Formats: sequence, structure tokens, C-alpha cells
Amino acid sequence: AQSVTQPDIHITVSEGASLELRCNYSYGATPYLFWYVQSPGQGLQLLLKYFSGDTLVQGIKGFEAEFKRSQSSFNLRKPSVHWSDAAEYFCAVGSSGAGSYQLTFGKGTKLSVIP
Amino acid sequence: SAVISQKPSRDICQRGTSLTIQCQVDSQVTMMFWYRQQPGQSLTLIATANQGSEATYESGFVIDKFPISRPNLTFSTLTVSNMSPEDSSIYLCSASGLAGELFFGEGSRLTVL
Repeated sequence: AQSVTQPDIHITVSEGASLELRCNYSYGATPYLFWYVQSPGQGLQLLLKYFSGDTLVQGIKGFEAEFKRSQSSFNLRKPSVHWSDAAEYFCAVGSSGAGSYQLTFGKGTKLSVIP
Repeated sequence: SAVISQKPSRDICQRGTSLTIQCQVDSQVTMMFWYRQQPGQSLTLIATANQGSEATYESGFVIDKFPISRPNLTFSTLTVSNMSPEDSSIYLCSASGLAGELFFGEGSRLTVL
């Protein structure tokens, strides 16, 4: 069965500092990997996805993530955090069957940004 | 990307009652799903909504408790039946895009007293 681990429950960074959110997955085949962001009281917004090809993936809002098969990781990074990035971030791994994608989510990492 | 609208966005319900959540997608999509997010928790897949046939439920979820309909490609409903306080959660509708990514609605925040 597939699973996702986000080791950090809560991270606090200063505005302008760099950010890395960790994600490790367990999946028997080539994974489909996603990062979503959820602002308070909102739904989930897709930041970026990895299906195949280049292991460094660029997303929206200046985020990027790197797929490392040897480490079973898909860490999310941003070089300079803005106060509006404060939210909860979810990593997810997908399984493809019959053209659909059912996602398994990690428990999330809450990001706080200090002005 | 698909735009997904859910209603109600939030509701407060009494124990023992049922509530139906509606989900409308602005374009035709292949798959639609319903997730639950309990307070402070991650998302758990309830079921895949199949057009014109019974939904496919994940372990721990049953049709009698969470009946789902999907009469066409762009619309689905989830009913939470005979509610108890443990059903207080955010319920999220999602749909798969052409590239396989999932798009989510804003969620329906349900509080059961």
C-alpha cells in the first residue's frame, strides 16, 4: 500500500528566508507525486506535480520540488518565503488505475511565517 | 484547470439528521472523488463517484452511511446520513484533470451537535 510521511508537523520561518518541506513516500512502482496548499478555511490548491521526466519540478507561487528516487523523497522548496505563504502543505502520492488518480495524502505541515 | 463548486460551504446539523452536499464541475471530467478531512487531520478518500452506477467505497466507508450519486459527468452529491458528532469534518469534492492531477472544491465544513 502506498503511504506518505511528512516528518514536520509545524515549521516556522522568517519572511524572506528559504524553505524546505520534507516528504517521503512509499510506493511499489513509479509514483505520481503532488504538493497541495490549503489556506485556512479553504480547499486545496495544486502547487506542482511530478509524473515523469525532469526530477526538478517548477510550480506556482515560486515553489519547486525535487524527486529523488534513491531517497523516496519529494521535498518542496522556496528560496524566499512571503507572509502569504503561511498555510498547511500536503504532499500526496497517486496511483493510476483505469485513467484515474486516487491520492494518498500525508498528514500535512503547517507553515508559519514571522514578519 | 477545472473549477469545482460545492454547497453548502458550511452547515451546523443536529445529531440523527442527514445532509446532502452538492458538487458541480465547470467542465467534463473523467473521475470524481469525495474526501473527508477531520479536524486537524489529513485527507481520507471516502469513495470514487462513478457516473450512472454505484460509487466505489474505500475501506471503512459504506454506502448506507455515505450514499453518493453522479448522474452526469459534471455533478455529484454526497449524503452524510444519520449524523453524529464524529461526522464533524470538512468534506471535499475533487475531480481529475486531463493530465491526471486532482482539483478540489472549497470544501463543505460540517458541524454536528
